[in-house]
Amino acid sequence: AQKITQTQPGMFVQEKEAVTLDCTYDTSDQSYGLFWYKQPSSGEMIFLIYQGSYDEQNATEGRYSLNFQKARKSANLVISASQLGDSAMYFCAMRDGGGADGLTFGKGTHLIIQP
Amino acid sequence: DADVTQTPRNRITKTGKRIMLECSQTKGHDRMYWYRQDPGLGLRLIYYSFDVKDINKGEISDGYSVSRQAQAKFSLSLESAIPNQTALYFCATSEGTGGQETQYFGPGTRLLVL
Repeated sequence: AQKITQTQPGMFVQEKEAVTLDCTYDTSDQSYGLFWYKQPSSGEMIFLIYQGSYDEQNATEGRYSLNFQKARKSANLVISASQLGDSAMYFCAMRDGGGADGLTFGKGTHLIIQP
Repeated sequence: DADVTQTPRNRITKTGKRIMLECSQTKGHDRMYWYRQDPGLGLRLIYYSFDVKDINKGEISDGYSVSRQAQAKFSLSLESAIPNQTALYFCATSEGTGGQETQYFGPGTRLLVL
């Protein structure tokens, strides 16, 4: 069974600071994918970044990077130079390599950027 | 125009009523999914479909049914709605190229069952 754990229910960060959102996962599969999604107060789910289990380099997308530590089963999201518009819920999710199921989501972290 | 659309965006219904939530996509993806989100929780998978002839139950399929009318359309039905089905419902799509493809979500449907 898959499991995603996000241990930070909420975070307050000063604008322009970097922020790290924690995510650990549990799977027995060798091939899997890890995703981060952003959900602003309007409710939509916005894809941010993807990391494959066989990718040797950490994924980066603009101000977002994924700190992937496979041995520790950790996939933390790092947002550099945070902005007020980054305030939202952030969800870590995983999909196994078989592709049979959908994504398994964590419970999310509510990030609030303060001016 | 949005790639993944959901109708209606908001719906209020009464216990025991049958309702249908619809999802359409213009991304040309084979795979489509239905999730629900409850307050304070992440999304949970209800049903998924790899193509028109392939429909599978997810983690929480009880009380729901689906129909894949075409590659671009995937509908979710609540045969007899109950209050604990009050939630935010998302449709998603992905390419069928393996186990690591990104899922793209529709805007969601807020459902309230009285």
